[in-house]
Amino acid sequence: GAVVSQHPSRVICKSGTSVKIECRSLDFQATTMFWYRQFPKQSLMLMATSNEGSKATYEQGVEKDKFLINHASLTLSTLTVTSAHPEDSSFYICAGSGSTDTQYFGPGTRLTVL
Amino acid sequence: LAKTTQPISMDSYEGQEVNITCSHNNIATNDYITWYQQFPSQGPRFIIQGYKTKVTNEVASLFIPADRKSSTLSLPRVSLSDTAVYYCLVGDPYNQGGKLIFGQGTELSVKP
Repeated sequence: GAVVSQHPSRVICKSGTSVKIECRSLDFQATTMFWYRQFPKQSLMLMATSNEGSKATYEQGVEKDKFLINHASLTLSTLTVTSAHPEDSSFYICAGSGSTDTQYFGPGTRLTVL
Repeated sequence: LAKTTQPISMDSYEGQEVNITCSHNNIATNDYITWYQQFPSQGPRFIIQGYKTKVTNEVASLFIPADRKSSTLSLPRVSLSDTAVYYCLVGDPYNQGGKLIFGQGTELSVKP
């Protein structure tokens, strides 16, 4: 149980374009979803926390207008990287927590901006 | 959120028991301790969670002393496939939606 999926697993885009990443909780209702970013050889960095139906809470230093988060249902959250640039290339990971309040992570999305 | 301190790396051999200790001196009353495992280019996988004393599941054991200022993840009889980064996290699952802040983690290398 507690499976989280992400789509796509890998995406390559041109600089200046926007990319949407989907995160789904497959067998539980994720009242809270989290988005992380991980650069090579580094730990996960929390970007934002979102509760279903509410606006996301962003961590200090994360631009909310650049990283748009939508958590419209208890099983789906999306992260849109707007006007992506090469420095946005990273591994993006989502996590969901539900009734048990333990975070379960998705497999991650590798974003490469050319 | 309480900060955690773990060894940066550890080496072990197949079949050995591995104990990874995490220090969390500023743990709050409502905080739980959670351990995750991460392989390269994958999301972290939940291993075990506890509040006090000892917790055991089919994968690992978690030992938490009475003062809760540290915890030890015990992996019995490791294999090559246990080579990964292990993260110790402390947080209140009932506050801020269970927000967690990841530290550096421990890179475990299991050798044949």
